[in-house]
Amino acid sequence: GAGVSQSPSNKVTEKGKDVELRCDPISGHTALYWYRQSLGQGLEFLIYFQGNSAPDKSGLPSDRFSAERTGGSVSTLTIQRTQQEDSAVYLCASSFVSQVNYGYTFGSGTRLTVV
Amino acid sequence: GEDVEQSLFLSVREGDSSVINCTYTDSSSTYLYWYKQEPGAGLQLLTYIFSNMDMKQDQRLTVLLNKKDKHLSLRIADTQTGDSAIYFCAESIPGGTASKLTFGTGTRLQVTL
Repeated sequence: GAGVSQSPSNKVTEKGKDVELRCDPISGHTALYWYRQSLGQGLEFLIYFQGNSAPDKSGLPSDRFSAERTGGSVSTLTIQRTQQEDSAVYLCASSFVSQVNYGYTFGSGTRLTVV
Repeated sequence: GEDVEQSLFLSVREGDSSVINCTYTDSSSTYLYWYKQEPGAGLQLLTYIFSNMDMKQDQRLTVLLNKKDKHLSLRIADTQTGDSAIYFCAESIPGGTASKLTFGTGTRLQVTL
């Protein structure tokens, strides 16, 4: 696609439910990143994919968080047993690894609210 | 360390220059970036500078890098109301995750008439 697409744009869920967030990167971008932006906070790195593998999962806050990427394209971030502190905007970005120094292209994010 | 710090808020009058500052701690940073985030939107790359440069100019934007003090700034000339947004600086660090960026907390720029 022309840009990084994320869905849903907004998600309200009850505490304890599982949620899945989707990211569709720019076609041909081999690198994909998930970040979390909490109110008044900067961007917190969650996980990085190169192709379908995740060389760096160091930012996932707990084992309730997982992510996968299939076909070197779409990625889903799953949060199990959601907690109120999971409320944030979840941002996805992609890049050509060889052109990474030109920065990422970000999607518009999914705003997750856990009530 | 990978801390990137910014002041939280800046208010300027339309037509004035804005200067947004950032400090970082990792001297091995290779590239430094400025991103803009408008309300309800993702981050948009504004400009970047390679660590062996002191200055980069791009139309109304001027980036200054002081490697000795690990200080990065973004100057916006003739600030307009459309420049109101949150501005993030970010650094990329070689090694480990090849392309992971570390972001600052963001500076909210408010442009008043």
